Amino acid sequence: AQKITQTQPGMFVQEKEAVTLDCTYDTSDQSYGLFWYKQPSSGEMIFLIYQGSYDEQNATEGRYSLNFQKARKSANLVISASQLGDSAMYFCAMGTSGTYKYIFGTGTRLKVLA
Amino acid sequence: GAVVSQHPSWVICKSGTSVKIECRSLDFQATTMFWYRQFPKQSLMLMATSNEGSKATYEQGVEKDKFLINHASLTLSTLTVTSAHPEDSSFYICSARAGAPVDTQYFGPGTRLTVL
Repeated sequence: AQKITQTQPGMFVQEKEAVTLDCTYDTSDQSYGLFWYKQPSSGEMIFLIYQGSYDEQNATEGRYSLNFQKARKSANLVISASQLGDSAMYFCAMGTSGTYKYIFGTGTRLKVLA
Repeated sequence: GAVVSQHPSWVICKSGTSVKIECRSLDFQATTMFWYRQFPKQSLMLMATSNEGSKATYEQGVEKDKFLINHASLTLSTLTVTSAHPEDSSFYICSARAGAPVDTQYFGPGTRLTVL
């Protein structure tokens, strides 16, 4: 069975510091994608970054990078130079090819401190 | 690119009435859309997969007669909550699969439904 696990229900980080949000996954599929979304208090889900299972390099998108360790089945999100606007709920998700359905983790609530 | 809208953003209705929520892909065509439900402080729960021109595929435990989904065009999917009851109160979010800029799901802003 496929599963996404986010073990950190809440995190604090000082403004301008970097923070790592953990995500581990379990799947028997060879082809899959890993995604991170940000959900501010408004409720909208904002796509941040994507990593394909066959991608050898870690994905990066501006201040976001994904630390992909396939053997460990982890896909941690790293946010560099945190900003107050980064305070939100962050969800890790996994999708497998064919169905395009995603399963989501339980989320991590990040609070950036001034 | 890949903008998804949802309407209404919030709705309050009386128990027993039906409510329709629209999900539109504004700048791309989406053959596949998804409907999720989210309870406070919880993760997203997939309700159904909506494919243009065919019947929706519902997840286990989701009542298809309760939550009617229509995907009549490549840019519009609708979710109708029929005979709504207070336990149907929730945050409903749709998403649409877009091939670009990244092949992923892009989400609408969500609809908060409150049934009195």
